[in-house]
Amino acid sequence: GESVGLHLPTLSVQEGDNSIINCAYSNSASDYFIWYKQESGKGPQFIIDIRSNMDKRQGQRVTVLLNKTVKHLSLQIAATQPGDSAVYFCAENRALGTEKLVFGKGTKLTVNP
Amino acid sequence: EAGVAQSPRYKIIEKRQSVAFWCNPISGHATLYWYQQILGQGPKLLIQFQNNGVVDDSQLPKDRFSAERLKGVDSTLKIQPAKLEDSAVYLCASSLSRSHSTDTQYFGPGTRLTVL
Repeated sequence: GESVGLHLPTLSVQEGDNSIINCAYSNSASDYFIWYKQESGKGPQFIIDIRSNMDKRQGQRVTVLLNKTVKHLSLQIAATQPGDSAVYFCAENRALGTEKLVFGKGTKLTVNP
Repeated sequence: EAGVAQSPRYKIIEKRQSVAFWCNPISGHATLYWYQQILGQGPKLLIQFQNNGVVDDSQLPKDRFSAERLKGVDSTLKIQPAKLEDSAVYLCASSLSRSHSTDTQYFGPGTRLTVL
């Protein structure tokens, strides 16, 4: 069945620390993964993506790591800021008849000043 | 660039009533998606349009949900009749072209539906 899940539902960090949000996926055929950030009352916002032929991709203050061997995805946020407080979702592109994004349940990140 | 617009932002109805949501995607985006997001969960795809044609509606409860995108731009999602379990945020997203495996999906703010 569908299974894109997260190890921790909540994460609390101090401002300036690095944050790591983890995600496990179950479909080894998934070829594309995305991290979204969702602030309260808003729709999900694209952060960074990675294809299955890569194991690491960096953006501005964010890094996504992909370990296909153990089907694990992580999002690292450097120097976490209060504005980073949100729910973070990983999503995988999975071909189930037609391709669709399957989202995990999300991790709530709280940044303490 | 204007984002995805949705209305209304909030709606409260009683069970067995009908409700409709409207979405205006980013200009020029061919693909439009409707997602249902139940509190505490990630979005779940209900239906995907490519221009005015349906690409995937396998997770749409067709006995009560319907959606259309008649002119390949705006879209409406309707629920008739609503059930308590339909309480959720309904998100609309759009992407530039057909292949969402390569195109970023941009989400609107959503419509929060409460069914009493």
